[in-house]
Amino acid sequence: GAGVSQTPSNKVTEKGKYVELRCDPISGHTALYWYRQSLGQGPEFLIYFQGTGAADDSGLPNDRFFAVRPEGSVSTLKIQRTERGDSAVYLCASSSQGANEQFFGPGTRLTVL
Amino acid sequence: AQSVSQHNHHVILSEAASLELGCNYSYGGTVNLFWYVQYPGQHLQLLLKYFSGDPLVKGIKGFEAEFIKSKFSFNLRKPSVQWSDTAEYFCAVYFNAGNNRKLIWGLGTSLAVNP
Repeated sequence: GAGVSQTPSNKVTEKGKYVELRCDPISGHTALYWYRQSLGQGPEFLIYFQGTGAADDSGLPNDRFFAVRPEGSVSTLKIQRTERGDSAVYLCASSSQGANEQFFGPGTRLTVL
Repeated sequence: AQSVSQHNHHVILSEAASLELGCNYSYGGTVNLFWYVQYPGQHLQLLLKYFSGDPLVKGIKGFEAEFIKSKFSFNLRKPSVQWSDTAEYFCAVYFNAGNNRKLIWGLGTSLAVNP
């Protein structure tokens, strides 16, 4: 594809609900990253995939957060029992094999009421 | 621990003024540095990057940045800003150790350019 895409662009949910956020990376990019950006902050690393496997999930804040990339392309970030503090923009980025430059999607703005 | 510090959180300039945004990093490995920009309503875009070689790097839209190893700095500059430069600017360092790979970000600087 032309760039990284993320769906939905906006998601409003109630406290305690389950949400899924989707990321379509640039075609052929093997590395995929999830970041979270709260208001007035820089992005914060959540998880990094190389192919299908999560190579580094050290940024996931707790076990309510989980991400998958079953076929090494599309990734889904899953949040269980959402809390108001989860409200943020969730960013996805991808990069090609061995490259350090990451290309970002437009983000999903999650609001937990 | 790795970290990035941006000194200015909010900057207001008039058109044609010169810009310098400070960025300092703390990282013990090989340094790969980035400046990203986020225009209102748009996603993060790469302005410029430093991997190695000439410490003065030039990016898009007339921006440049200088890597000064002794000062652990990577300041962003533009000689003459335009109204269209109004945006959020983020400095980031790439952390790479084994399977751990990620960008570590500063808090960002909000730039407003008055016409």
